[in-house]
Amino acid sequence: SQQGEEDPQALSIQEGENATMNCSYKTSINNLQWYRQNSGRGLVHLILIRSNEREKHSGRLRVTLDTSKKSSSLLITASRAADTASYFCATPPTGYSTLTFGKGTMLLVSP
Amino acid sequence: NAGVTQTPKFQVLKTGQSMTLQCAQDMNHEYMSWYRQDPGMGLRLIHYSVGAGITDQGEVPNGYNVSRSTTEDFPLRLLSAAPSQTSVYFCASSYSRDQPQHFGDGTRLSIL
Repeated sequence: SQQGEEDPQALSIQEGENATMNCSYKTSINNLQWYRQNSGRGLVHLILIRSNEREKHSGRLRVTLDTSKKSSSLLITASRAADTASYFCATPPTGYSTLTFGKGTMLLVSP
Repeated sequence: NAGVTQTPKFQVLKTGQSMTLQCAQDMNHEYMSWYRQDPGMGLRLIHYSVGAGITDQGEVPNGYNVSRSTTEDFPLRLLSAAPSQTSVYFCASSYSRDQPQHFGDGTRLSIL
């Protein structure tokens, strides 16, 4: 079964607006990772946040992690049309050797 | 560096045929994995390997076989193709499960 679940399933915004995607997971984790997938391509790693971190920034990306609520959010500020893609969270459950992905949020940024 | 290379990019098979999806990485990564991606299902883990000679099953292993004889290569074998295996297959590698994964561009497989 899916360890992580993204919300919303789809998000449509205008260029310049901020986009927020959420991820909830079920069991304790060592870290949480966010990936982007452009249409027809493989996934690309965006950012990794460890379980003892609460917030992390990378360029226009801001990720938060709340381990008490088992949730994370990805904020993309000042969105561009090139940010149009699907975004996935991935969680490695503690005690397991696997990495599981959610179903993704499809982001559409219109010019 | 080429990163993670998957071949072929596209393949059409008939039910019952067998084939091998190739995956190679040149980053000396120990951890490699195979996922399938279906509409509305996200990525589901088929098999993974934590190093040469060590493989284990993921969430959806039935109908697939893997081996890891070298650090670089992690082929995925379909033993007897079924229409339910029509999907996009992704291979990924990293230094460990807890490190960023590097993905190939996928193999689009159709089984008639």
